[in-house]
Amino acid sequence: SQQGEEDPQALSIQEGENATMNCSYKTSINNLQWYRQNSGRGLVHLILIRSNEREKHSGRLRVTLDTSKKSSSLLITASRAADTASYFCATYAGGTSYGKLTFGQGTILTVHP
Amino acid sequence: NAGVMQNPRHLVRRRGQEARLRCSPMKGHSHVYWYRQLPEEGLKFMVYLQKENIIDESGMPKERFSAEFPKEGPSILRIQQVVRGDSAAYFCASSPPSLGSYEQYFGPGTRLTVT
Repeated sequence: SQQGEEDPQALSIQEGENATMNCSYKTSINNLQWYRQNSGRGLVHLILIRSNEREKHSGRLRVTLDTSKKSSSLLITASRAADTASYFCATYAGGTSYGKLTFGQGTILTVHP
Repeated sequence: NAGVMQNPRHLVRRRGQEARLRCSPMKGHSHVYWYRQLPEEGLKFMVYLQKENIIDESGMPKERFSAEFPKEGPSILRIQQVVRGDSAAYFCASSPPSLGSYEQYFGPGTRLTVT
């Protein structure tokens, strides 16, 4: 089964607006992480939320996790043109001592100046 | 502290040739992961290695693909007899040796094009 599906696939907003991206997954998880990928570059870790946490903040980022619905959302407040990138959620299901991650297909965010 | 290094950044191979992708983890990191990203898709786990050991290769195709992480030097992902379907971006990530460290640090990737 496919784990980590993001919604929407693409999001276009104006600078200053908030951007919300959603991620759904199918199996139980130990933690969920969000990554950003600028065009043609590697991934940058943004935030990690554990299965026993419901909400986490980091600067302009807010992540929520609802394990009963197997979903997470990433909110970027007061977006900037520099936030333009692809955003991926990745889940770690547990059962190993290492972080074997399953990535979703990503949301492409475009922030217009 | 340099980040994860990958080279080459771009690699073009003809069908049937071999591709060698290199990854140097961050200093102090002894865990290396390889992922493959097909166009407009998310990353797919391929293999997880520690120094001199392959721990989990469940995402690696059974044929033509191999990976190693020697005691000295970078981790190598090797693809023999490449085919067009191997065209993708290959990312390496590293993490510290401590248990429960699930955050991964990614390199810039190697974009393989098979002609």
